[in-house]
Amino acid sequence: EAGVTQFPSHSVIEKGQTVTLRCDPISGHDNLYWYRRVMGKEIKFLLHFVKESKQDESGMPNNRFLAERTGGTYSTLKVQPAELEDSGVYFCASSPYVSSLVTDTQYFGPGTRLTVL
Amino acid sequence: RKEVEQDPGPFNVPEGATVAFNCTYSNSASQSFFWYRQDCRKEPKLLMSVYSSGNEDGRFTAQLNRASQYISLLIRDSKLSDSATYLCVVNIAFSGGYNKLIFGAGTRLAVHP
Repeated sequence: EAGVTQFPSHSVIEKGQTVTLRCDPISGHDNLYWYRRVMGKEIKFLLHFVKESKQDESGMPNNRFLAERTGGTYSTLKVQPAELEDSGVYFCASSPYVSSLVTDTQYFGPGTRLTVL
Repeated sequence: RKEVEQDPGPFNVPEGATVAFNCTYSNSASQSFFWYRQDCRKEPKLLMSVYSSGNEDGRFTAQLNRASQYISLLIRDSKLSDSATYLCVVNIAFSGGYNKLIFGAGTRLAVHP
């Protein structure tokens, strides 16, 4: 079974440019999460989709970040315009939907390393 | 104060050593607890879940103390391949079947020959 995939693996852009990151979750996983690790800091939650709906976007830094998951399959995270502090590794994770409070394991993709110059 | 606190290390130990990592969390609504392992420039991978009764998986033992909001990971007989960053992770579950993971900054382990 294919795992979570992310594209691109690396992206180097200049301040003010736009970048779009893509995440393909494990097939059949309704939950899709975006996380970010900025240099020297811990991995932080950005937002969570259940199918195509945004369940929780409390971690999104500001309105320069836009996440979509049209059709409830893959997701994109667009940064426009990019700033220097956006540099970091962006991870995507997915998990199956559960109907109770029992936690399901989140499976992480390899991440996209974004460098803003 | 960070929601999940870990000693950043690095812990430099010889092969065969026993090493212990500690972690504290601040949110009493945390529902479940994990240790993830992250190799350099790779994604986090689940090492083991942590239960109140304590659980063991081979050379790895995890323990949870809810009253103290404290989590530990013990690695016995360290191998070179154990070198990685160990992330303490707590999960906050919400009704509706979704959850949010809160990560510690990680503790780096370097096992040398």
